[in-house]
Amino acid sequence: DAGVIQSPRHEVTEMGQEVTLRCKPISGHNSLFWYRQTMMRGLELLIYFNNNVPIDDSGMPEDRFSAKMPNASFSTLKIQPSEPRDSAVYFCASSLWGLGADTQYFGPGTRLTVL
Amino acid sequence: DQQVKQNSPSLSVQEGRISILNCDYTNSMFDYFLWYKKYPAEGPTFLISISSIKDKNEDGRFTVFLNKSAKHLSLHIVPSQPGDSAVYFCAASARSGSQGNLIFGKGTKLSVKP
Repeated sequence: DAGVIQSPRHEVTEMGQEVTLRCKPISGHNSLFWYRQTMMRGLELLIYFNNNVPIDDSGMPEDRFSAKMPNASFSTLKIQPSEPRDSAVYFCASSLWGLGADTQYFGPGTRLTVL
Repeated sequence: DQQVKQNSPSLSVQEGRISILNCDYTNSMFDYFLWYKKYPAEGPTFLISISSIKDKNEDGRFTVFLNKSAKHLSLHIVPSQPGDSAVYFCAASARSGSQGNLIFGKGTKLSVKP
């Protein structure tokens, strides 16, 4: 299996632009997670899907952030409009059942820089 | 307020010696704990886990110890190797709950010197 696939790996954009990050989870996994990593806050959960349905989006910082999972093999995280403080590494992860004991498999991340 | 804390941002150890990474948590509902390892430009990868019904779990050179009364866990790496140099994240979950999300600490950067 190819593992969790994220694109792009790097994104540089200007403040105010729309940014879309993409994720393909491991085939057969029922849960998908979006995380953001910053120096100040570490690794924080943004949103979590189970069977394509958003279960917990309490970590989404504000209305500028939105996430979708139209099918079991694809998810997007969109930031509109982007701001410099959104600069971070964004990770997508998937797990088999989404239970607390499940191992989460992470993608390589997207490094976002907003100028 | 951070529910999972890794108070040491970095640790430097000589090759062949023991590395001890520490983690504290505040939420008594947590009943499952994991360690993830992260190399630069890669995503975190699962290393080892422990359920709250145990106080120790061992996998090769890696051992995790859990002290529930102190709400503290530690990861021991013996012997340490240069390839162990990475950022280590402690994570916790309330497995008995329906949510699957993990709460991560901020990480400890381990450097193993040859």
